Amino acid sequence: QAGLTQPPSVSEDLRQTATLICTGNSNNVGDRGAVWLQQHQGHPPKLLSNRNNNRPSGISERFSASRSGNTASLTITGLQPEDEADYYCSAWDTSFTGWVFGGGTKLTVL
Amino acid sequence: EVQLVESGGDVVQPGGSLRLSCVASTFTFSNYWMNWVRQAPGKGLEWVANIKRDGSEKYYVDSVKGRFTISRDNAKNSLYLQMNSLRVEDTAVYYCVSFDVGWGQGTQVVVSS
Repeated sequence: QAGLTQPPSVSEDLRQTATLICTGNSNNVGDRGAVWLQQHQGHPPKLLSNRNNNRPSGISERFSASRSGNTASLTITGLQPEDEADYYCSAWDTSFTGWVFGGGTKLTVL
Repeated sequence: EVQLVESGGDVVQPGGSLRLSCVASTFTFSNYWMNWVRQAPGKGLEWVANIKRDGSEKYYVDSVKGRFTISRDNAKNSLYLQMNSLRVEDTAVYYCVSFDVGWGQGTQVVVSS
């Protein structure tokens, strides 16, 4: 099954804003939206945003998710060194009848 | 904060079996679909299986169909994954996941002769 498409890497300056993109189709992102995950090296993924673009308790307001059509976005404002991580998107795919993932974007904070 | 604690990972030979468990706390487990997601060494994330709130629907990725079985016990706030006929390519960290509320810490499964 085809996964979601994410750019392999994004670099942005400290205290600036980064926007990560995740592209799917009408069977997944375009149907019910996407979730966003953050994973630091050697650690489990952490849920940043659910399909309703809501942050779980404890997730900083600097992380905000949105969707337009078949594309989901994660915006991180006021970049901090600890934001350096891999970011994954995922969505339920109605044709595959399962969750599909993007390949992940490695965010570097300069 | 959501707590999902996995256990049961081990080193097993090809063709062997394992049963993974996950205990949930701090949220109403029975209200959520639950999933197993795995991550092979140095690789991305792969969804393995999920189960409806009441256990009445289950879905699997093709590569594990007929070999893995997902189940849950809402009275025990627990999720399970029975893994049979294990293959080398099943080697991964297995996470217990609710895509609505959070992820567990993972349990390591190594399939090797």
